[in-house]
Amino acid sequence: DTGVSQDPRHKITKRGQNVTFRCDPISEHNRLYWYRQTLGQGPEFLTYFQNEAQLEKSRLLSDRFSAERPKGSFSTLEIQRTEQGDSAMYLCASSENSVGEQYFGPGTRLTVT
Amino acid sequence: RKEVEQDPGPFNVPEGATVAFNCTYSNSASQSFFWYRQDCRKEPKLLMSVYSSGNEDGRFTAQLNRASQYISLLIRDSKLSDSATYLCVVSSNSGYALNFGKGTSLLVTP
Repeated sequence: DTGVSQDPRHKITKRGQNVTFRCDPISEHNRLYWYRQTLGQGPEFLTYFQNEAQLEKSRLLSDRFSAERPKGSFSTLEIQRTEQGDSAMYLCASSENSVGEQYFGPGTRLTVT
Repeated sequence: RKEVEQDPGPFNVPEGATVAFNCTYSNSASQSFFWYRQDCRKEPKLLMSVYSSGNEDGRFTAQLNRASQYISLLIRDSKLSDSATYLCVVSSNSGYALNFGKGTSLLVTP
């Protein structure tokens, strides 16, 4: 399967703990995106990488959130000091050249208790 | 005001029916427009791009009205497999990010 993969698929953590998610994009895609989706809502943009450069961050991405894409391949999203409001599906997407045709991974579902 | 507004539905239609979804967007500078489909508990997938001239892909027709900042999707001859949430999507100012609507839920019944 050469699609976008995400790990883990599910994460349950206690409030105040740190969590890290990984995304492996489609190999030839140089653009990588992170989104967050809660029940009944569409995905909300968090951040965008072109190769290893983080070119855009949403105001939704508070200081507790950090994302990296060190070698322009896989990416990680870390949330520090998790809060219950962080509970959501975290989606990663990648694209080759077009902003519109983004291929999404299956997501990581985070539950903060 | 949210950047992309959609009627969440649900729309319940019988097989074979024609159904139309609409959405409006607030940023007149947006350049790119799309419809994505999301099945229950699955990731979103691109259904089609939307152009000012209108475009068709089989049973699906998309229209864009820039003056009214309005996007539509028409599904003809609905199939059971069309049951899903349809997300209206507009590119951001930067052109990098996508702004998604909440989605419109469609249930096609036998």
